[in-house]
Amino acid sequence: EDQVTQSPEALRLQEGESSSLNCSYTVSGLRGLFWYRQDPGKGPEFLFTLYSAGEEKEKERLKATLTKKESFLHITAPKPEDSATYLCAVQALQGGSEKLVFGKGTKLTVNP
Amino acid sequence: DTGVSQDPRHKITKRGQNVTFRCDPISEHNRLYWYRQTLGQGPEFLTYFQNEAQLEKSRLLSDRFSAERPKGSFSTLEIQRTEQGDSAMYLCASTPSAGFGEKLFFGSGTQLSVL
Repeated sequence: EDQVTQSPEALRLQEGESSSLNCSYTVSGLRGLFWYRQDPGKGPEFLFTLYSAGEEKEKERLKATLTKKESFLHITAPKPEDSATYLCAVQALQGGSEKLVFGKGTKLTVNP
Repeated sequence: DTGVSQDPRHKITKRGQNVTFRCDPISEHNRLYWYRQTLGQGPEFLTYFQNEAQLEKSRLLSDRFSAERPKGSFSTLEIQRTEQGDSAMYLCASTPSAGFGEKLFFGSGTQLSVL
């Protein structure tokens, strides 16, 4: 069964203190790995899609990387507005399913 | 884009009652998804439509749950004989019909509380 594990569950950073979030996955053939951001009381907001090991994508202070077993979301010099829950999800090749399998997320708090 | 709209935002009901939620996707988005999210968990896939055709349903989806998308526009999700375990945020998402990798646009969800 496809599975996504995110760590840590929660992370507190000072403004400007860089760090990384981890997403480990088990999937029967990876079709794609997704990162979403979710603010309280709102639906997830798309950040990145990664397709193959070695791929990297960047957006402002965020950089996502992918290996065959895990993905990292690097946050460089975070600001308080980066505080949110970051969700990782995978989509499998097998069976042609459209579903995304999400992890539980990492709740990030950035203090000023 | 006006975004994905969900109604109501909050619903409180008593156990055993039926509830219906509505989702209006972004116009011209052919694909529509329903997910469920409980506190501290990631979203869990429920079902998926391509236009008006329901193409995929989660094996975990009880037969008390039914979804429709008449005419390929808005969608409704109905839960019959609600149980306390149905309490969750119900999220709708849409995306244009295209190849794989299209990002999902989520609505803000309907928060269901079953007393």
